[in-house]
Amino acid sequence: GENVEQHPSTLSVQEGDSAVIKCTYSDSASNYFPWYKQELGKRPQLIIDIRSNVGEKKDQRIAVTLNKTAKHFSLHITETQPEDSAVYFCAARYNKLIFGAGTRLAVHP
Amino acid sequence: NAGVTQTPKFRVLKTGQSMTLLCAQDMNHEYMYWYRQDPGMGLRLIHYSVGEGTTAKGEVPDGYNVSRLKKQNFLLGLESAAPSQTSVYFCASSYSGQDTEAFFGQGTRLTVV
Repeated sequence: GENVEQHPSTLSVQEGDSAVIKCTYSDSASNYFPWYKQELGKRPQLIIDIRSNVGEKKDQRIAVTLNKTAKHFSLHITETQPEDSAVYFCAARYNKLIFGAGTRLAVHP
Repeated sequence: NAGVTQTPKFRVLKTGQSMTLLCAQDMNHEYMYWYRQDPGMGLRLIHYSVGEGTTAKGEVPDGYNVSRLKKQNFLLGLESAAPSQTSVYFCASSYSGQDTEAFFGQGTRLTVV
């Protein structure tokens, strides 16, 4: 069945460094790839998404890249801040919305 | 405009009891999803619906049933709760099944003892 793999499971960086999270998906029909941020005890919230006809998208300090041929996509956070500390989830969708297992990002001052 | 609302927020069940979780959305969304979230395992899709009167199985459907009798509501039922169903349950909805954002409810923390 459909599967989304996400790496790494934990990531620790110093404030100001960059963070990169990578995901691969199995369903070649997937055409929408959102990223969600979940803070402790709260619901997941969309931070950025990319559609299959686009290779890269940027929104201030966050960017996402998509390689449909290789079936992988990545989240890049630059100039990390302590408030970026959270769990990040990638997902892939064609009707079903399937999530990766999550990356716990810790940004240390 | 409340978005996606889940009822209840917390519940403790005894093994073998049944219960229904309610998800309601006021955004006229076609697609609705139920997930469970366990530590280290992310969000796993239980069942989903592509419109009123439809339901489909997700990644982990066993032990759960769903119904979508009205477009705005998606119900998740546990007929005979087991300790393995202890989890946080999230409902989500989206306008379509393609390239539109999915909005999440606040979650239901369920403990089965």
